[in-house]
Amino acid sequence: GENVEQHPSTLSVQEGDSAVIKCTYSDSASNYFPWYKQELGKGPQLIIDIRSNVGEKKDQRIAVTLNKTAKHFSLHITETQPEDSAVYFCAAMDSNYQLIWGAGTKLIIKP
Amino acid sequence: SAVISQKPSRDICQRGTSLTIQCQVDSQVTMMFWYRQQPGQSLTLIATANQGSEATYESGFVIDKFPISRPNLTFSTLTVSNMSPEDSSIYLCSVEGGEGRPLHFGNGTRLTVT
Repeated sequence: GENVEQHPSTLSVQEGDSAVIKCTYSDSASNYFPWYKQELGKGPQLIIDIRSNVGEKKDQRIAVTLNKTAKHFSLHITETQPEDSAVYFCAAMDSNYQLIWGAGTKLIIKP
Repeated sequence: SAVISQKPSRDICQRGTSLTIQCQVDSQVTMMFWYRQQPGQSLTLIATANQGSEATYESGFVIDKFPISRPNLTFSTLTVSNMSPEDSSIYLCSVEGGEGRPLHFGNGTRLTVT
């Protein structure tokens, strides 16, 4: 079945710098890849997603890239701000339409 | 996007008791999902609840321990039965965003079993 690995587990960046979180997946049939942001005490919130028929998608300071051949996708956050501090989860939808989740990345923005 | 309300937001329960968690959505949805998130961990799907049919449980989760109700298209409950400290976790309700994708989550129920 599908397996999703996410790295790093913790990422600390200076405010204003960029942050990149990477995920790999195993099922080549997976075709939907969302990213969620979870703030303390809240449920996960979808921030961006990408389908397998595109290689990149942007939404203001957030972008996701997908490399189907290598079976990896990445979240890019530019000009990081204190409110970007949170735990970020990647996920991949497998051939049974189930979301398989990464382990999460704790992003710390240093002032 | 759907607004999801979960109750209670947190609870402390004694072992051997049961807790029922409610999930209310502000729009009709076909599929609802219940997840468990242990402290500092990722999300694990417990079951999928469709209105009018029995919930579908994932490996490692059984109906006797986690009975689910889905009486209509805007409401579901998850019961954690005969609780033990190992059940201490965050329980999250999620609803379908279209094409079977769980896009929206409630803020969760933080359960501590003593």
